Amino acid sequence: EAGVVQSPRYKIIEKKQPVAFWCNPISGHNTLYWYRQNLGQGPELLIRYENEEAVDDSQLPKDRFSAERLKGVDSTLKIQPAELGDSAVYLCASSPRLVPSGGADEQFFGPGTRLTVL
Amino acid sequence: DQQVKQNSPSLSVQEGRISILNCDYTNSMFDYFLWYKKYPAEGPTFLISISSIKDKNEDGRFTVFLNKSAKHLSLHIVPSQPGDSAVYFCAASASASGNEKLTFGTGTRLTIIP
Repeated sequence: EAGVVQSPRYKIIEKKQPVAFWCNPISGHNTLYWYRQNLGQGPELLIRYENEEAVDDSQLPKDRFSAERLKGVDSTLKIQPAELGDSAVYLCASSPRLVPSGGADEQFFGPGTRLTVL
Repeated sequence: DQQVKQNSPSLSVQEGRISILNCDYTNSMFDYFLWYKKYPAEGPTFLISISSIKDKNEDGRFTVFLNKSAKHLSLHIVPSQPGDSAVYFCAASASASGNEKLTFGTGTRLTIIP
């Protein structure tokens, strides 16, 4: 079974430039997550999708960040314009939503995109 | 406000001995806890989980213990192997309240010494 695919793996841009990340979740997984992981920290959720609907985007900085999952499969995360503080690893994860109530889905993570803003 | 805390940034253990990684949380609404393992340049990989209705869950060499009154959980790896060298993240969710968002700790880098 193929895992979560992310591209690019690495991206270096200058500040104020736009950047986009792409994620293809595991086939059949309805829930998709975007996380940001700063150096020395754990992943922090940016947005969660149930199929094509964004059900939790409370942590997404909406002035410069946007995301879409138009057909409920793959997703893109965009930053425009990028700032120095956006340098981080951006992780995409998916889950199958098979866990009964009272639990939490095991989330399967992709390798991440390491963004460096100069 | 760090709701999930891993106070040891690093830990070194001799191969064959027991590794104990600790995690503390502050949010009493958390009812499901997970451990993830991360190798360099890879995404985190799920290792083991525990619901708040249990105090122990075991899977092979990995055991997670939950002490709800102390808001503390620990991951035991025994015997430790060189391939266990990685960063371990503790994560928690308040799933019973309908919020499945995972809150992660800052991670503990485990090094197994051959």
